[in-house]
Amino acid sequence: RKEVEQDPGPFNVPEGATVAFNCTYSNSASQSFFWYRQDCRKEPKLLMSVYSSGNEDGRFTAQLNRASQYISLLIRDSKLSDSATYLCVVSDPGTYKYIFGTGTRLKVLA
Amino acid sequence: DTEVTQTPKHLVMGMTNKKSLKCEQHMGHRAMYWYKQKAKKPPELMFVYSYEKLSINESVPSRFSPECPNSSLLNLHLHALQPEDSALYLCASSQTGSNQPQHFGDGTRLSIL
Repeated sequence: RKEVEQDPGPFNVPEGATVAFNCTYSNSASQSFFWYRQDCRKEPKLLMSVYSSGNEDGRFTAQLNRASQYISLLIRDSKLSDSATYLCVVSDPGTYKYIFGTGTRLKVLA
Repeated sequence: DTEVTQTPKHLVMGMTNKKSLKCEQHMGHRAMYWYKQKAKKPPELMFVYSYEKLSINESVPSRFSPECPNSSLLNLHLHALQPEDSALYLCASSQTGSNQPQHFGDGTRLSIL
């Protein structure tokens, strides 16, 4: 089993749609979780940290389910500009390492 | 604008050349990272420095040599690279401690001829 797994997609959705991505992780001791967004040929940019209680930032909502070892990202009212690859990142406990998922590609269509 | 600055943005070099990639951050972060990223793949960790000491080397070939001169700077020295080393090289930094995200520079796109 991979340490961090994501569905690679692509997810093709119309503008205005709601889309959700999941990411599973294998190390139950992991403490820190993040979603990054990466545009083609650009660097990853932090979208949001994921907290135990869940958190929301505008159209984006992140959730953590420790019992099932997954995190999720919900995007409401999708915009064309949301088209990107979304990377799930999980910290490796006791080290300075961050484990990346393979990324999920999102295409928002006009 | 990224708070982690990488230079150069693009680099083309021959297999016998020696070059260096540079990374700078002024956020007071004490952990700094080098990643290699190939197209359509996630970033792949190469090295981690914490408090200016090398703490992780992910079995990277010796033709890549990292250096951390001070808490704000991170270099990656390149020598005798191979064509398969062509990739986007990303630098990142973070606070130490839990729940601290990484911040990435915009990368150096490296092509080996």
